[in-house]
Amino acid sequence: GAGVSQTPSNKVTEKGKYVELRCDPISGHTALYWYRQSLGQGPEFLIYFQGTGAADDSGLPNDRFFAVRPEGSVSTLKIQRTERGDSAVYLCASSLMQGAYNEQFFGPGTRLTVL
Amino acid sequence: LAKTTHPISMDSYEGQEVNITCSHNNIATNDYITWYQQFPSQGPRFIIQGYKTKVTNEVASLFIPADRKSSTLSLPRVSLSDTAVYYCLVGDDSNAGNMLTFGGGTRLMVKP
Repeated sequence: GAGVSQTPSNKVTEKGKYVELRCDPISGHTALYWYRQSLGQGPEFLIYFQGTGAADDSGLPNDRFFAVRPEGSVSTLKIQRTERGDSAVYLCASSLMQGAYNEQFFGPGTRLTVL
Repeated sequence: LAKTTHPISMDSYEGQEVNITCSHNNIATNDYITWYQQFPSQGPRFIIQGYKTKVTNEVASLFIPADRKSSTLSLPRVSLSDTAVYYCLVGDDSNAGNMLTFGGGTRLMVKP
């Protein structure tokens, strides 16, 4: 079946611009996670949704980052006033059951480059 | 969360068995041991999870000694396509909150 999809696959923007990254989780998965991965490092947690609500946003680095999941399915990660340090691969994952240690299914990621 | 240590990188050749050992001396009673695999330009993929002794699936085996202070991921007869980064994660939802904490992983290079 269809896995987690993310769009766009690549995004190049200029410093100070606004970007939106989209995640389509596996149908029926109630838990959705966003991670950020810098070159040569493991993914770092950003935010977790259970249904429509952000159950844990402790990983968001600052208030320029925001994410929504209005209908409990598709999620959008929004970054305002982008900075060069925001350049990374943004990964989305979903799981059938709540709990980080249930198997998470990851999308291919969106590679964000801020010039 | 229990800290994990593991090799930064490993080299192997096609057809060999590869064993990647992860140390987690401070593992808690409720913690599970979970391994993810990440190919270049892809998101991580769950490989295997265990609590104690041995777990085997179609991809790998996971060996966990009685004291659970380490675990070994075993990949039988690797091929070039097994070249990837392998992450060892230790925790459970009671102490991890809602996040997986990845370290740097072990970069496995399989050569012809």
